[in-house]
Amino acid sequence: GESVGLHLPTLSVQEGDNSIINCAYSNSASDYFIWYKQESGKGPQFIIDIRSNMDKRQGQRVTVLLNKTVKHLSLQIAATQPGDSAVYFCADLFSGGYNKLIFGAGTRLAVHP
Amino acid sequence: NAGVTQTPKFQVLKTGQSMTLQCAQDMNHNSMYWYRQDPGMGLRLIYYSASEGTTDKGEVPNGYNVSRLNKREFSLRLESAAPSQTSVYFCASSVTSYNEQFFGPGTRLTVL
Repeated sequence: GESVGLHLPTLSVQEGDNSIINCAYSNSASDYFIWYKQESGKGPQFIIDIRSNMDKRQGQRVTVLLNKTVKHLSLQIAATQPGDSAVYFCADLFSGGYNKLIFGAGTRLAVHP
Repeated sequence: NAGVTQTPKFQVLKTGQSMTLQCAQDMNHNSMYWYRQDPGMGLRLIYYSASEGTTDKGEVPNGYNVSRLNKREFSLRLESAAPSQTSVYFCASSVTSYNEQFFGPGTRLTVL
C-alpha cells in the first residue's frame, strides 16, 4: 500500500551545520511532495513543495531534492539554527486518486549550540 | 488574516460523551480536512471536503462525522467518544485539493 517513511527518526546537528532529512515514498504515481515543520504544541507549517516535473527546488535556506528513480526526497537546511529544531514531515499527494496527502512519521531535528 | 482557527484547544471527555470540534478558515479556500495525530506518528486523514457541499472519508473515519457548514467552516463530531479517540486533532485547508495545506493549531482531546 501507500506509505511515506523516513530513514532517521532523530537527527542531531550543531548550530551552523547543514542538515539533511531524508524521506522515501512508495507510490510511483505520486506527483506532488511537501515538507512540513511542526514545532512542539503547534500545527504543521508548510516549508517547501516540489512537483514531480522538477528534481530540485530552493527556498530560503532550504532545498528539496527529488529522485523519482528511487522514490526518494530530501530536505536540506543550510546553516541550521536553534529555531529549526522541530519535527519535519514529508508528505506526498497522488492526484490520480482522490487528492489525499500521505504523511510520513516524521524526523525530529535537534540543533545544539 | 487569522488563517485556520480551531476550538476548543483542549477537551477532556468521558467514554460515551459526544462533542463537536470546530474549524474555520478565512483564506477563501475550497478544500478542508480533519486529521488526527497520535504520539510519534504522522497525521492521518479522518475526513475531507474538497469543496463546499461535499465530504468524503479519509483513512480513519470510523467513529466520526463531519459537516461542511459553509465555505469557511468544517466541523468534526464524535457521537460517542472512546479512549482510542484520544489524540490531537488538526484541521487544515487548501485552495484546492492539489495545493499545499495550511493547518490550525490543533485540539488536544483526552477520552477517559
